[in-house]
Formats: sequence, structure tokens, C-alpha cells
Amino acid sequence: DAGVTQSPTHLIKTRGQQVTLRCSPKSGHDTVSWYQQALGQGPQFIFQYYEEEERQRGNFPDRFSGHQFPNYSSELNVNALLLGDSALYLCASSLRGAPNQPQHFGDGTRLSIL
Amino acid sequence: GQQLNQSPQSMFIQEGEDVSMNCTSSSIFNTWLWYKQEPGEGPVLLIALYKAGELTSNGRLTAQFGITRKDSFLNISASIPSDVGIYFCAGPPTGNQFYFGTGTSLTVIP
Repeated sequence: DAGVTQSPTHLIKTRGQQVTLRCSPKSGHDTVSWYQQALGQGPQFIFQYYEEEERQRGNFPDRFSGHQFPNYSSELNVNALLLGDSALYLCASSLRGAPNQPQHFGDGTRLSIL
Repeated sequence: GQQLNQSPQSMFIQEGEDVSMNCTSSSIFNTWLWYKQEPGEGPVLLIALYKAGELTSNGRLTAQFGITRKDSFLNISASIPSDVGIYFCAGPPTGNQFYFGTGTSLTVIP
């Protein structure tokens, strides 16, 4: 039973560039949430997708956008990268029909901005 | 935004000792989750709590959902070196947006 998988593992970009991160949810899950985790801090909620639409959003600018595909996989896009966007980006999946059910996390994508 | 405060911020203990940590929020939570994160990995779910006063165990780990619904506690008995990591509390006060605590870093000295 495959867990949550994310790609790439590491990525280096420069300021002003754009980046796309990818996530495949755990088998049987239909909801994907994205988090940003800065060094030494807890994960911060970016947004959540189910039924291919953004359903909830945290306090992040619209430079952060996403997409969910019919197979439930998801992408996180960040435009006009800033140095402060350097972080571990985590994807978590869950089942929408089970409110408050725990989210299962991937191992993240480490994004470094130079 | 929602603030979840965890204490202590870090702990250095001898192998075999028991560990206690807690998490408090400014809002009422209907679910409390405890995760452990090791370097280079994503958080792994340890225990989920769904009812005020609930006490749930997972091996040497025991967690409690505070009666006020604004706090939760995690205990680890007889710590071992592989318990090393950062422990996070988390929960959704409303909707499906999960908030994470500030984390408790645990170091176990053999």
C-alpha cells in the first residue's frame, strides 16, 4: 500500500523563478493538503484540494497556487520565488468523507532559493 | 491565526526515563493529533484523539485529550534512543484546516 509520495526530493531555484512540486496521495485518499515548514518550525497550512478544487486556504499569497487531477494527485506552484520561500514543502492526504481524520504526510520537497 | 504552544521546547533525557509534553491552544479543538518528525522525513502520525477526556495508548506512548478541549498531553514511558525526534501536536479547530504546534525536540542520551 503506497503512502504519500512527493517529487522532487530537493530543488534549487533562484529568486523570481517559478517552481512546481508534485504529490501522489496515499491509496484510497481523495483529499490533498499542502504545508510549508520553515526550519525549526511546525508545518503551516497552505491550502487543501478535493474534487479538483481548492476548498480551504491558509494565510499565503496568491503566488502560491495548486491543482488537483482526476486521479487525486496534486501540484503546488509557486511564482516569483522569494528567498523566504526556502522551506520543506509537505503534502498530506486524507479522506474527505471522514472529517477530522488524520492526515498522512509525504517526506516533502526541500526547496532552496538562492 | 491559530496558535498552538508546545512545552517544553526541547528535552534532553537519559534512556529509560519517562517523558511528558503538552500542547495548548487558544481555541477549542474537536480533534487532537500527535505526530513525530525525524530529520529528512515528513511527520508520522502517532496518536489521534477525538473526545474530551479521552486517553489513548500506542505502545509506550499515551496521549490525553484535555477536558477543556484546549489542551492535550503526550507521555512516553521508558524512552529509547529511537524516540529521538520532534513531536508536534496538531488539530482542526474548525473545518479541515489543520494547525500544528511549535514542536518539542526530544534527545535521548544512551
